[in-house]
Amino acid sequence: GEDVEQSLFLSVREGDSSVINCTYTDSSSTYLYWYKQEPGAGLQLLTYIFSNMDMKQDQRLTVLLNKKDKHLSLRIADTQTGDSAIYFCAERWMDSSYKLIFGSGTRLLVRP
Amino acid sequence: DGGITQSPKYLFRKEGQNVTLSCEQNLNHDAMYWYRQDPGQGLRLIYYSQIVNDFQKGDIAEGYSVSREKKESFPLTVTSAQKNPTAFYLCASSMGDAGMSSYNSPLHFGNGTRLTVT
Repeated sequence: GEDVEQSLFLSVREGDSSVINCTYTDSSSTYLYWYKQEPGAGLQLLTYIFSNMDMKQDQRLTVLLNKKDKHLSLRIADTQTGDSAIYFCAERWMDSSYKLIFGSGTRLLVRP
Repeated sequence: DGGITQSPKYLFRKEGQNVTLSCEQNLNHDAMYWYRQDPGQGLRLIYYSQIVNDFQKGDIAEGYSVSREKKESFPLTVTSAQKNPTAFYLCASSMGDAGMSSYNSPLHFGNGTRLTVT
């Protein structure tokens, strides 16, 4: 199937780390992406990882990929109130469309 | 600055009327996409186009139509046949697939159009 799954909600205190998890379906996926959506806006690309990598770090963001379990995570260090948003993971579908399949999104709430 | 422009931001229509949502990009991207987002749900693909004058149905194409006469433009028409048209519509573009699985082609999104049909 094409389901990309994420937990719906995460609440953390300002300054703590946030970890948002995602499971995907296609074992042949090449690129996996994390997007951020603020209220009433489009999706902003945060980071991505190629499937031959285990980890990618980009400033406060760390992406971990476990290909065996088809598990992807996004860690946000020193979470700020401005990080409150919905976070989507997406996998690049490896048929002729090369389309992206999105999860349902995780709403992150950062408490002061 | 390059980007994707969706207009209008808010759109209101009466049931039974067709409505067209605009999407324009100046990123020189080959591929363009329309997604629909409903509250608490992920994005569902309506239509996509990998090249001018060609487009394919996505997962929920019924009740929608598109055209791709210019590289920069990919308008979406929501027809009266669409049973539940009220939603947030997102347009995106990418460089395309280049026919290579190792080719990184993330989607870049517009700011969306919120359509309300009463």
